[in-house]
Amino acid sequence: SAVISQKPSRDICQRGTSLTIQCQVDSQVTMMFWYRQQPGQSLTLIATANQGSEATYESGFVIDKFPISRPNLTFSTLTVSNMSPEDSSIYLCSVEIVRVGGRTYEQYFGPGTRLTVT
Amino acid sequence: KQEVTQIPAALSVPEGENLVLNCSFTDSAIYNLQWFRQDPGKGLTSLLLIQSSQREQTSGRLNASLDKSSGRSTLYIAASQPGDSATYLCAPYSGYALNFGKGTSLLVTP
Repeated sequence: SAVISQKPSRDICQRGTSLTIQCQVDSQVTMMFWYRQQPGQSLTLIATANQGSEATYESGFVIDKFPISRPNLTFSTLTVSNMSPEDSSIYLCSVEIVRVGGRTYEQYFGPGTRLTVT
Repeated sequence: KQEVTQIPAALSVPEGENLVLNCSFTDSAIYNLQWFRQDPGKGLTSLLLIQSSQREQTSGRLNASLDKSSGRSTLYIAASQPGDSATYLCAPYSGYALNFGKGTSLLVTP
């Protein structure tokens, strides 16, 4: 398993500003993911962050708006840039653990960052 | 693209009832499927993982089944308790990332 922490747990920000969310995991992992959960909706994958390479963004998400860093195998950051009220969401990071045998992929999630943009 | 549907969208039951949550997915080529629980405004807690070769998996009062060929999974909760109130999400894994449905919002009343 993996224990994941996120900072901040919540924030209220003004439109036009940026917020950087930190994700820390207690073990070294290759794959880390960032998701967004808009109010009343399910989770949408923003990007995959692998250490040593550029993040891979899903359709509808761009690096200028959501820059991601992955400096080592236990840490990642997601920045929400030039925020608008539509960015109000819960942002979650997750990690993938490949079980022994290499055929089972289990994901663990952080507690989330609740962002409100006014 | 994997589409995941969960039925019912919401469920309210009295304490003690056994209940079944349903999940269907369109692409049966999955490695495994996870069931998660999400409390309001919080992150996801992994409840069970079923490998594609398995038919079911049990943890305490929870039992999850998988019929990969038909693209269906069910989560059975025995003797429900108020503390089980949460949103339950199923997420099949097809080799790239998890795909989520909208979940089933469960309320267990005392």
